Amino acid sequence: QSALTQPASVSGSPGQSITISCTGTSSDVGSYNLVSWYQQHPGKAPKLMIYEGSKRPSGVSNRFSGSKSGNTASLTISGLQAEDEADYYCCSYAGSSTPSYVFGTGTKVTVL
Amino acid sequence: EVQLVESGGGLVQPGGSLRLSCAASGFTFSSYWMHWVRQAPGKGLVWVSRINSDGSSTSYADSVKGRFTISRDNAKNTLYLQMNSLRAEDTAVYYCVLGDAFDIWGQGTMVTVSS
Repeated sequence: QSALTQPASVSGSPGQSITISCTGTSSDVGSYNLVSWYQQHPGKAPKLMIYEGSKRPSGVSNRFSGSKSGNTASLTISGLQAEDEADYYCCSYAGSSTPSYVFGTGTKVTVL
Repeated sequence: EVQLVESGGGLVQPGGSLRLSCAASGFTFSSYWMHWVRQAPGKGLVWVSRINSDGSSTSYADSVKGRFTISRDNAKNTLYLQMNSLRAEDTAVYYCVLGDAFDIWGQGTMVTVSS
């Protein structure tokens, strides 16, 4: 099972909104509402930003939102801030197949 | 505070073995599934393995199946990854991760497989 497809890079100016796509298949993203998103700053461990497609963990800014349509999930960051510059990864449960979980290829977000 | 602290990484020759440990604190370790996720230098995240709360069920990525073994000691609040027959392509930072949504991540431990 291949990695989920994300754009290599997305950029925006402070205050703008950006959207990162995450395209999978009917065996993963399309079959389960179990897509999550992670933010990773250089040299740091990833941090959960969105789980079960659209839910935010406690402490995560409401500027981050998630959605899904068919085999594609999306992460939107509104009111872009300098501290949002990081790598972002999506991940989907893939059922009892192997691998059980599939990560995306990763997207570098640049704040201009 | 929830904490996951990995240890056991290092430099190993191809074909060698290492055992990673992950000490958990701040939550009821025995109630949660746990995972190992790795990240090769400059590359993306890759799921490696998971274990259910009581250790009775495990799952592995194809790339490590038959070489890696995940286990846990709920009395010691510790997760393990036994890695055998290591290859150059196993070189990565290995993260211990809590929960079905990969909720909390440790700081990672670096494994380098090289002669």
